[in-house]
Amino acid sequence: GAVVSQHPSWVICKSGTSVKIECRSLDFQATTMFWYRQFPKQSLMLMATSNEGSKATYEQGVEKDKFLINHASLTLSTLTVTSAHPEDSSFYICSPQGGRAYEQYFGPGTRLTVT
Amino acid sequence: DAKTTQPTSMDCAEGRAANLPCNHSTISGNEYVYWYRQIHSQGPQYIIHGLKNNETNEMASLIITEDRKSSTLILPHATLRDTAVYYCIVRVKVGGNQFYFGTGTSLTVIP
Repeated sequence: GAVVSQHPSWVICKSGTSVKIECRSLDFQATTMFWYRQFPKQSLMLMATSNEGSKATYEQGVEKDKFLINHASLTLSTLTVTSAHPEDSSFYICSPQGGRAYEQYFGPGTRLTVT
Repeated sequence: DAKTTQPTSMDCAEGRAANLPCNHSTISGNEYVYWYRQIHSQGPQYIIHGLKNNETNEMASLIITEDRKSSTLILPHATLRDTAVYYCIVRVKVGGNQFYFGTGTSLTVIP
């Protein structure tokens, strides 16, 4: 399968600060990027979809000004959680799509803890 | 929204076959059935996908009913490392379509 990396793998930040999470597709070009979050003991929830060079489309209930997504290249997308609060503590997972149509891979995830 | 229903949890004895069912009664003709699994605190891992024929790969087999309203993922010889949450997802194969995850089945392989 394809190689997807996320950085950092975990981060602890103080309430009110911003955190940037990077997602890289290392061996294929991701024309589309999906971002998910997962709260403890729950399933993955889709947050937003972005196409390279375009603005992201956010799922209902996800604040676009709080979760800034940049997909400037075919191998890198970033999610910035602005003015983080404890309720933003979650497991954030990116999922690049590209290459063969059926293939969608997932990153290893980033554990965000806001104190 | 997720279009599948799965049992919340299942147990399986190590070395035995694990059969994980999934109902997708509203599946459309152009939607595929995908299976992923997620081991604790990791990203989902692709297992297998299919349209209407049964499929097999090195990880598992996928059995889809003739009416396509349900399917079963079979892990032929479950090991302790197969303990994970298994997600059944239906999606159009063409790129750009999102995966919406349901609640999945938490499979525990027992020694």
